[in-house]
Amino acid sequence: EAQVTQNPRYLITVTGKKLTVTCSQNMNHEYMSWYRQDPGLGLRQIYYSMNVEVTDKGDVPEGYKVSRKEKRNFPLILESPSPNQTSLYFCASSSGESSYNEQFFGPGTRLTVL
Amino acid sequence: QKEVEQNSGPLSVPEGAIASLNCTYSDRGSQSFFWYRQYSGKSPELIMFIYSNGDKEDGRFTAQLNKASQYVSLLIRDSQPSDSATYLCAVTGGGNKLTFGTGTQLKVEL
Repeated sequence: EAQVTQNPRYLITVTGKKLTVTCSQNMNHEYMSWYRQDPGLGLRQIYYSMNVEVTDKGDVPEGYKVSRKEKRNFPLILESPSPNQTSLYFCASSSGESSYNEQFFGPGTRLTVL
Repeated sequence: QKEVEQNSGPLSVPEGAIASLNCTYSDRGSQSFFWYRQYSGKSPELIMFIYSNGDKEDGRFTAQLNKASQYVSLLIRDSQPSDSATYLCAVTGGGNKLTFGTGTQLKVEL
């Protein structure tokens, strides 16, 4: 089954404790992206990757890191999480560089930083 | 000014009625327009996309695009309670970057 998976689905942590949210897709997609979703602010792009070893900042990159060492994986790293990073996070992927391609979303990771 | 604007709602319609969801965008260079449906706590799922002026129909859904007015809409005919969700409008200006509106909550009442 074609899908985007994320782990963990739920995470409660404390300020300053490094964490990684994994994202994996099995569709051989070149493009992958991370979004956060907050009430009243909608979905905002954090980072994206056009292919292996190619990553770039989205609209809200502060406090986050990413890497793309393999085509299928695109982990999101929070080196020192803070309460304002409490949010619902989605990973997404799509094929090629066309703006007409559908983005497939993972199930989401609900993160709470205390 | 927000790049993609939607009325947050909630928009309430009776079962069987037509629901009309609207979206405006600020970037005249926007090329593709998407409507995603999102149930509470779930991930967005694509319903429709459109990139040419005019109407595009898929079952009970019709997307309408007017690039001159920078306006895109989604009509849902014969609305069902299962259509109750938040509808997200998203646009791309080229490449894969999606810019989302904040979504319109739709409630279909029995």
